[in-house]
Amino acid sequence: QSALTQPASVSGSPGQSITISCTGTSSDVGSYNLVSWYQQHPGKAPKLIIFEVTKRPSGVSHRFSGSKSGNTASLTISGLQAEDEADYYCCSYAGSSTEFGGGTKLTVL
Amino acid sequence: QLLESGGGLVHPGGSLRLSCAASEFTFSNYAMSWVRQAPGKGLEWVSGTDGSGGITYYADFVKGRFTISRDNSKNTLYLQMNSLRGEDTAVYYCARAPVYIAVAGRAPKWFDPWGQGTLVTVSS
Repeated sequence: QSALTQPASVSGSPGQSITISCTGTSSDVGSYNLVSWYQQHPGKAPKLIIFEVTKRPSGVSHRFSGSKSGNTASLTISGLQAEDEADYYCCSYAGSSTEFGGGTKLTVL
Repeated sequence: QLLESGGGLVHPGGSLRLSCAASEFTFSNYAMSWVRQAPGKGLEWVSGTDGSGGITYYADFVKGRFTISRDNSKNTLYLQMNSLRGEDTAVYYCARAPVYIAVAGRAPKWFDPWGQGTLVTVSS
């Protein structure tokens, strides 16, 4: 059982926007602005797409955005494209450890 | 760029040493970590070390069994894994991972970039 809770799956049509939630506690997500998000295509290594809740690494599309409210962080993908179909993982500093969510499979219909 | 090696099939109770060769950045300037992913499962942080290798930190489930180290003269990160169990079966990734230090503890802030991973299978 993962420390951070994500929905198992979400789906959307091309051009639409979707949001993936990541619920933690006051010991991790709620206490630190150190939430990151990763995209993983099948058989590939994860790729950082959001760090420090809202920041995008160089080269990551502006269609990806992050936010946080209380103990819940969110990843929003706007203007869905076929290549966005992948697994997405949230991650948070949690004191003496760094925790991941269980992952969310995004299907582009 | 990060390139892992050393994975393979090992019997329960056995040992294995993973390596991660770094290139295209000044290796000694960066903290590094290992993250694993069991087949069909999610990501799990395993261990990290600072740029010098003098400070190391571990997830609770590997303390006393795994040892992280680095050789900055060879631009290489290592993970020595002892007393391996079936639940250690996973793809092991190395990643650059800046560390956050607080009263609560020391652990990575994020992971970027990642290597391609090396598969460790623990089975009799």
